[in-house]
Amino acid sequence: GENVEQHPSTLSVQEGDSAVIKCTYSDSASNYFPWYKQELGKGPQLIIDIRSNVGEKKDQRIAVTLNKTAKHFSLHITETQPEDSAVYFCAVGGSGGSYIPTFGRGTSLIVHP
Amino acid sequence: DVKVTQSSRYLVKRTGEKVFLECVQDMDHENMFWYRQDPGLGLRLIYFSYDVKMKEKGDIPEGYSVSREKKERFSLILESASTNQTSMYLCASHRGPGNTIYFGEGSWLTVV
Repeated sequence: GENVEQHPSTLSVQEGDSAVIKCTYSDSASNYFPWYKQELGKGPQLIIDIRSNVGEKKDQRIAVTLNKTAKHFSLHITETQPEDSAVYFCAVGGSGGSYIPTFGRGTSLIVHP
Repeated sequence: DVKVTQSSRYLVKRTGEKVFLECVQDMDHENMFWYRQDPGLGLRLIYFSYDVKMKEKGDIPEGYSVSREKKERFSLILESASTNQTSMYLCASHRGPGNTIYFGEGSWLTVV
């Protein structure tokens, strides 16, 4: 089955800095790569996703890049703010028509004011 | 606005009690999931269902069962709760492979 590795497990930055979280996956047939943000006491919420026919996608301060050859994708947050502090999960879905997405273990992002 | 609703947010149960966690989605999704979330272990799949009355075991099904009698509702059952089942439980749903997964707000279960 699919295997997803997410790094780093914790990331501490100063407000205004950029943050980058990286995920690698194993199944080259995978074609859907979402990122979720989970705030304290809440369920994960989709923040951005990318499909395998696209190399990069941006939405204001967040962007996702995908390198299908190397089988990795990354979340980039620019001009971080304290409200960006949360746990971020990457996921991989759609491989071989599988109904079950595979999640990374999460990255705890702390943005210091 | 799409919604996955977990009716019980915080529960405290005694060891040996039967526990029901309910999840309802309003998006007409075929696929529903129950995950368990523990610090450092990420999201672990307990069970999923791809249709009414259909269910498949996930990675950690021991000690749990599920019920899906209606398309919109997926219930997680702890037949005899144990302290090692203290955790946060997340319900999720999606339309099919390669589609957005929507999560509920989570149910915090403490077994004493």
